[in-house]
Amino acid sequence: EAGVAQSPRYKIIEKRQSVAFWCNPISGHATLYWYQQILGQGPKLLIQFQNNGVVDDSQLPKDRFSAERLKGVDSTLKIQPAKLEDSAVYLCASSLAPMARANYGYTFGSGTRLTVV
Amino acid sequence: GESVGLHLPTLSVQEGDNSIINCAYSNSASDYFIWYKQESGKGPQFIIDIRSNMDKRQGQRVTVLLNKTVKHLSLQIAATQPGDSAVYFCAENNNQGGKLIFGQGTELSVKP
Repeated sequence: EAGVAQSPRYKIIEKRQSVAFWCNPISGHATLYWYQQILGQGPKLLIQFQNNGVVDDSQLPKDRFSAERLKGVDSTLKIQPAKLEDSAVYLCASSLAPMARANYGYTFGSGTRLTVV
Repeated sequence: GESVGLHLPTLSVQEGDNSIINCAYSNSASDYFIWYKQESGKGPQFIIDIRSNMDKRQGQRVTVLLNKTVKHLSLQIAATQPGDSAVYFCAENNNQGGKLIFGQGTELSVKP
């Protein structure tokens, strides 16, 4: 079974520039998550989708971050404009249903490492 | 200014020894817990999970203990191997759908 695919693997941008990350979840997974992982910390949920609808975006800095999952499969996360404190790994995860249970196939991708200079 | 990551607690063990990694969780309403292993450049990888109606669960070379009284989880790794070197995170789910809340993490180093 193919895992969660993310691209790019690395991105370096200057502050105030914009950047976009892409995620392709495991086939058949209705639920998709974006997490932010700052160096030395655990991942923090930014947004959760169920099919193409947003379930939880309470931790998403909406003044600069946006995310979409238009067809209920792939998703993009965008930052505009980027700040220095946005430097982090952005992890995408997916699961069969909106339940944090291993038997729902909750799986993380390898992430995109963003450096803002 | 530039953000600085927190300094991870570290644990260094000799190959073949047993390792114990501890975690304090935040929400007494959490009913499900997972231990993840994260190697450099990779996403978190599932190790073992436990529901709040249990206090112990065993897997292959790993055991998770849950103490709800003091909101504490531990991960025991038997006969630790160099391939176990990684950062280990506990995560909790407080019955809010798919959201996982991660702890700070512990960096495990295994000396051959």
